[in-house]
Amino acid sequence: GAGVSQTPSNKVTEKGKYVELRCDPISGHTALYWYRQSLGQGPEFLIYFQGTGAADDSGLPNDRFFAVRPEGSVSTLKIQRTERGDSAVYLCASSPTPGLQTQYFGPGTRLLVL
Amino acid sequence: GESVGLHLPTLSVQEGDNSIINCAYSNSASDYFIWYKQESGKGPQFIIDIRSNMDKRQGQRVTVLLNKTVKHLSLQIAATQPGDSAVYFCAEIGAGGTSYGKLTFGQGTILTVHP
Repeated sequence: GAGVSQTPSNKVTEKGKYVELRCDPISGHTALYWYRQSLGQGPEFLIYFQGTGAADDSGLPNDRFFAVRPEGSVSTLKIQRTERGDSAVYLCASSPTPGLQTQYFGPGTRLLVL
Repeated sequence: GESVGLHLPTLSVQEGDNSIINCAYSNSASDYFIWYKQESGKGPQFIIDIRSNMDKRQGQRVTVLLNKTVKHLSLQIAATQPGDSAVYFCAEIGAGGTSYGKLTFGQGTILTVHP
């Protein structure tokens, strides 16, 4: 079956611009997670959704970052007024339900802010 | 665990040897642990998991050991192959509180397998 997909695979933008990153989870998975990975480090949690609602957004670094999942499937991570420090790989994962479950990751979106 | 940026631990082995990758985790309340393999340019790939009520679990060519007393995980790969070359991460999930549902990754280890 299809795994987690993310688009675009690469995004180059200029400082101050707005970007949207999309995640399509495994069909039927109610839990969806966003992580950010900097070079040479493990992924760091940003936010997770149970269905349409954000169950925990404690990892979002500031109010420039926002995510939605309006129909409980596809999710979009939105970054306003991008800064060079936002450059990283943004990973999406999903699991059948939240909690003590394996999370399956997509290939990531590599964001470069010039 | 603490990240050391670009200076990840490295392990170099010969093809056919057994590999052992170690990880220290931070939260004594964590109930579920996962090992992931990450190849260059790809997302983390699930290898094996273990719950806190177990101390050993075996998969195909892989074994995970959990020592809760010292908060230590290890991943053993038997008959390592060049295709096993990647960065390996351990990750933990707590059963409740602020760590519920989200993965906390440990420091990665770069495994290089020489033919």
